[in-house]
Amino acid sequence: RKEVEQDPGPFNVPEGATVAFNCTYSNSASQSFFWYRQDCRKEPKLLMSVYSSGNEDGRFTAQLNRASQYISLLIRDSKLSDSATYLCVVFHSGNTGKLIFGQGTTLQVKP
Amino acid sequence: EAGVAQSPRYKIIEKRQSVAFWCNPISGHATLYWYQQILGQGPKLLIQFQNNGVVDDSQLPKDRFSAERLKGVDSTLKIQPAKLEDSAVYLCASSNPGQTNSYEQYFGPGTRLTVT
Repeated sequence: RKEVEQDPGPFNVPEGATVAFNCTYSNSASQSFFWYRQDCRKEPKLLMSVYSSGNEDGRFTAQLNRASQYISLLIRDSKLSDSATYLCVVFHSGNTGKLIFGQGTTLQVKP
Repeated sequence: EAGVAQSPRYKIIEKRQSVAFWCNPISGHATLYWYQQILGQGPKLLIQFQNNGVVDDSQLPKDRFSAERLKGVDSTLKIQPAKLEDSAVYLCASSNPGQTNSYEQYFGPGTRLTVT
């Protein structure tokens, strides 16, 4: 079983739609959680952190459920520019402290 | 602030040949990472440096891959000999644990390697 699992999609949605991505992680000791965005043939960039209380940044809302080991990302009013791959990322602390990436969920927003 | 620099951007080699990638992290970032990203997958950590010391190389195929960061700044990743399954994008990232939001890693543009 992969440590971080995502539905790879692709998700094809019209402009203005609301779309939700889900992610599960297997290590209950994971400490911090993030969503990164990766445009086609580009490097990943941090989109937002994910907190237990939930957090919102404009049209983007991230949620964390530690009991279920589940993370979500909600995008409202989708724009063409939202088309990208969204990577669910989990941080492990300890001696090395490292990020574990999911395989990514691809979103394609259509006019 | 200049970002993470990598070169070359693209490389095509035949199997069993050698190849080297170079990375220059963001100035002042103590931690440097090399990732391998195969098409359709998320980045997989190969090696992590803290200054010039290795802190995690558990997923580095040491029979063919090597990496160094001699002066705690630039880093090189080498593959010798290359296999077909090494075709991927090799991403370098850096972070500064001393900063707030220190979990954020800044990625370079990557080197796209094709092994034929």
